[in-house]
Amino acid sequence: EVHLVESGGGLVQPGGSVRLSCAASGFTFSGSAMSWVRQAPGKGLEWVSGINESGGTTYYADSVKGRFTISRDNSKNTMYLQMSSLRADDTALYYCAIPRGGWFVFGWFDPWGQGTLVSVSS
Amino acid sequence: EIVLTQSPGTLSFSPGERATLSCRASQSVRNNYLAWYQQKPGQAPRILIYGASSRVTGIPDRFSGSGSGTDFTLTISRLEPEDFAVYYCQQYGGSPLTFGGGTKVEIK
Repeated sequence: EVHLVESGGGLVQPGGSVRLSCAASGFTFSGSAMSWVRQAPGKGLEWVSGINESGGTTYYADSVKGRFTISRDNSKNTMYLQMSSLRADDTALYYCAIPRGGWFVFGWFDPWGQGTLVSVSS
Repeated sequence: EIVLTQSPGTLSFSPGERATLSCRASQSVRNNYLAWYQQKPGQAPRILIYGASSRVTGIPDRFSGSGSGTDFTLTISRLEPEDFAVYYCQQYGGSPLTFGGGTKVEIK
């Protein structure tokens, strides 16, 4: 069974940094693109970033470009999201998910992890 | 960027009724690459439909998707108690990927 587990969230001060991890199991991680999607409290879903199978190609939403960096370690079956220059509007539950059926790293998402909460506040 | 509009934000139904949810795109969605998700409180979204009309394995056949171009619909033929939730559409035909704002289906 495919399993995705996010970790690394917590309370961060504005302007601070944090690194999220997504540990994957139950499938061939190195053969799958991956993505991060976030959801602010009580709000809708926002795609954040995607990475191809090898890690050589990455994509970002304009709202995080230049501040967030997605990466992966296929030897550890883990994807990361390095978040810096954090702002209050980055407060959200961050999900990792597998994109399917589309093109490059873009597709519909299945499955999703349970998310890790990042709160940006002083 | 393709903007997806789901309106109204909330729909009220009784169990057993038919629900029709709308998702409109600001421009044509390439290859009808449009997906629908269900999200319940405290849970991650669950994929229901992809490619506008293809039901994911394991999803009950009371859920169906239709539409093309800029207008898409999710239909729940007979609402079961477990179907009261928030539903999101998502397009994956263009970059960046975008989601609609969601429609909450609540019990009347």
